[in-house]
Amino acid sequence: DTAVSQTPKYLVTQMGNDKSIKCEQNLGHDTMYWYKQDSKKFLKIMFSYNNKELIINETVPNRFSPKSPDKAHLNLHINSLELGDSAVYFCASSQQQRGTRVYEQYFGPGTRLTVT
Amino acid sequence: SQQGEEDPQALSIQEGENATMNCSYKTSINNLQWYRQNSGRGLVHLILIRSNEREKHSGRLRVTLDTSKKSSSLLITASRAADTASYFCATDLSGGYQKVTFGTGTKLQVIP
Repeated sequence: DTAVSQTPKYLVTQMGNDKSIKCEQNLGHDTMYWYKQDSKKFLKIMFSYNNKELIINETVPNRFSPKSPDKAHLNLHINSLELGDSAVYFCASSQQQRGTRVYEQYFGPGTRLTVT
Repeated sequence: SQQGEEDPQALSIQEGENATMNCSYKTSINNLQWYRQNSGRGLVHLILIRSNEREKHSGRLRVTLDTSKKSSSLLITASRAADTASYFCATDLSGGYQKVTFGTGTKLQVIP
């Protein structure tokens, strides 16, 4: 009955490779997110989708491409991996914002990506 | 620069003591949230306080918000070893939509 799940949990790969991380939520939420947490624990939003529509796209290299096949899934594909991409990537979901009312986000367990 | 910055960066206390963490932010907000992250895990939502609220309680947690000083504090009373984690504040800006910005975090260690 996991709320937000990510696969894989660990990903070790070489520079230049292409990899994907998958995320699924069973909470019925409309909005999903991808965050990157660096070695200093700083958490930065990368993308957000609402009902399969991209609503937040921060200054992320074009090598990162999110895909939302449906409301419950948000995948992250990374091309031509670089050393600096090494980090923990978190998927999260929440109900859609209503006016100024935001809702708590539910986070997945994270995917630790190591690029060698 | 970060919207939210927590202070202190690290805090070590004995079990049973109270722990206070502070968060300062730069621009007007609609809401402020606090999250906890245990080592190697995802973040877990603790409490949300709206910009028109000054204080909120949830169990052993007490959150205050001072919009004039652009700051918030999280108080954990009667701390337990299980409270050992990193704590983050998260803000969403007035006029923004669906974007929450996380602070730099406070690493709390509760010694049994």
